[in-house]
Formats: sequence, structure tokens, C-alpha cells
Amino acid sequence: DTAVSQTPKYLVTQMGNDKSIKCEQNLGHDTMYWYKQDSKKFLKIMFSYNNKELIINETVPNRFSPKSPDKAHLNLHINSLELGDSAVYFCASSQGGMNTEAFFGQGTRLTVV
Amino acid sequence: AQTVTQSQPEMSVQEAETVTLSCTYDTSESNYYLFWYKQPPSRQMILVIRQEAYKQQNATENRFSVNFQKAAKSFSLKISDSQLGDTAMYFCAFHTGTASKLTFGTGTRLQVTL
Repeated sequence: DTAVSQTPKYLVTQMGNDKSIKCEQNLGHDTMYWYKQDSKKFLKIMFSYNNKELIINETVPNRFSPKSPDKAHLNLHINSLELGDSAVYFCASSQGGMNTEAFFGQGTRLTVV
Repeated sequence: AQTVTQSQPEMSVQEAETVTLSCTYDTSESNYYLFWYKQPPSRQMILVIRQEAYKQQNATENRFSVNFQKAAKSFSLKISDSQLGDTAMYFCAFHTGTASKLTFGTGTRLQVTL
């Protein structure tokens, strides 16, 4: 009964390729996020969606395109992968509102070679 | 700009001892929530404790408690009776009314030793 699940957990790919990471939550939450954790463990918001609508796009390159087909899913597609895209990507969801806990997926470790 | 600073990149504590992790933040908003998240080696992010800025009483969750000093914009985490399972990265974060996101600090790596 995983609350927020991401696939795949590990992804190794060559520069220039296009890849997608899928995220699903079964908590009935309205808000979903993508965070990027770099090699120094710093977590930074990339995107925030509320009820399938984009709320935050935090100066992320256009090569990154989130897609929310419904409230329970938020996928991340990355075009023309670069070495600097190597990181752990976390999907998260919350009920919305600043007092609510964000539930995180287990992360996807992306390695671009 | 809204920022969170964790000045201790790494800390170590012996089992059963008490340790305090520091966090300071900067925001111009008056209402917000503060959080501590734990990230063990499994990579899973887990909520440890949360505090509303309007509440003066410090939050506690079993062995975890906070020292919230609003005027100083300080939000430290105290772990009592440390256990080996507390070994993890700890992230301080806050969420304001106007931002639809958590802003995280750089994290403190805590090692609990025998």
C-alpha cells in the first residue's frame, strides 16, 4: 500500500536521450510536486501541481516537462539529457495548505553517462 | 527571499545521549509552518515533527522536540535518548501561506554511534 510510488527507482542513460519518471499517489491529495536532490543532498522544488494545474515552475530548463493526466499522477519527462541532470528526483504529494505533511516517494536516482 | 540555513553539515552522538540540530530561517511572512524531515540511507523522506509559527508552545513527538524562537527565526531539533535508527540526514523546512512549496535547508548528517 505505497502512498507515493515512483518508477523507476534507478535510471542510467546516455547523454542526449529522453526519459520519463512516473509518479502515482493513492492518498487522494490535491497537490503534487517534483523535487530534485543534488549530489550534496540539497532538495529544491522543480514543479508543483494542484488539481492537475501547474502552480510552480521553479526556473527549470524547458527540457523538463511535467505532465499530470489526473490528480493522482504527475510524470516527469526529460529531453536531451545532460550530465548535470544526474540527481535523485523525488515526487511528493500533500493535501495542500502550509500545515500539511508532504509525503514523498522513494526517489529516482538518475545517472547520465 | 526565503531561506533555511543548517549550519552543522555533520554531527555525531552516542547512543542514549541527546543531540540538538540547529536551523535558522528567513521569511517576511508572519504565518508559516516549520518542519523537520528525516532521510535515512533508504532515501525515504519521513516527517519527524512540525510547528506552527503562531503557536508559542514547542512541538514534541516522543523523543523529538523543537525549540522554536520566532523572534530569532530559529527552529532547532532535539533528539533525546538517541538510537542507532536515528542515523540519517535531517532537513529543516518551512512552508508559508503564499508559497505552494516546502523550502529546505542543506541538511545535517547525524551519525549515532555505540
